[in-house]
Amino acid sequence: TQLLEQSPQFLSIQEGENLTVYCNSSSVFSSLQWYRQEPGEGPVLLVTVVTGGEVKKLKRLTFQFGDARKDSSLHITAAQTGDTGLYLCAGDNTNAGKSTFGDGTTLTVKP
Amino acid sequence: NAGVTQTPKFQVLKTGQSMTLQCAQDMNHNSMYWYRQDPGMGLRLIYYSASEGTTDKGEVPNGYNVSRLNKREFSLRLESAAPSQTSVYFCASSALGNNSPLHFGNGTRLTVT
Repeated sequence: TQLLEQSPQFLSIQEGENLTVYCNSSSVFSSLQWYRQEPGEGPVLLVTVVTGGEVKKLKRLTFQFGDARKDSSLHITAAQTGDTGLYLCAGDNTNAGKSTFGDGTTLTVKP
Repeated sequence: NAGVTQTPKFQVLKTGQSMTLQCAQDMNHNSMYWYRQDPGMGLRLIYYSASEGTTDKGEVPNGYNVSRLNKREFSLRLESAAPSQTSVYFCASSALGNNSPLHFGNGTRLTVT
């Protein structure tokens, strides 16, 4: 079983602060996705990273895939209350797209 | 487009009762999945269907059965519900192939008493 460990599990910060969430594994993945989930809804894809060392930016969010494709990070600059939610990473290394999910990081951004 | 639609949104069952969770997608995706989400345990794969006509067990298949009715629909059945099956169930779909992201429904919150 491939495991993805996310840290921290919970994060509470003030609006305007920066934060980084980590997703680590001992396994190599062909790709890694980050999802964001709001209460009462399903996860929604934020980004897919494929190449080792890849960096992708989505407005204030910066995603990085580790050189060895075993880990990833999500950095949020100047967090806003609308960033509040559960952030999930998921790794995929099969053609069937059977993803392995981390346990998630619950982010609360206070006004 | 509706994306992935799950019914019902909420359900309460008594131990031993049976029910079927329905899922349909309108994105012409080949692959469909059922996950359960429990506090502190992330999303765990119950069953998946890589393509129409095939189904395979995931990480936690015990107590569940699935049917890939056609390309659009993938149902999850609990034959004899147990309190341990209290959870939020998510259906998802994806296009076939590497790096295809998952598209999720909004979940079914199931309570078994």
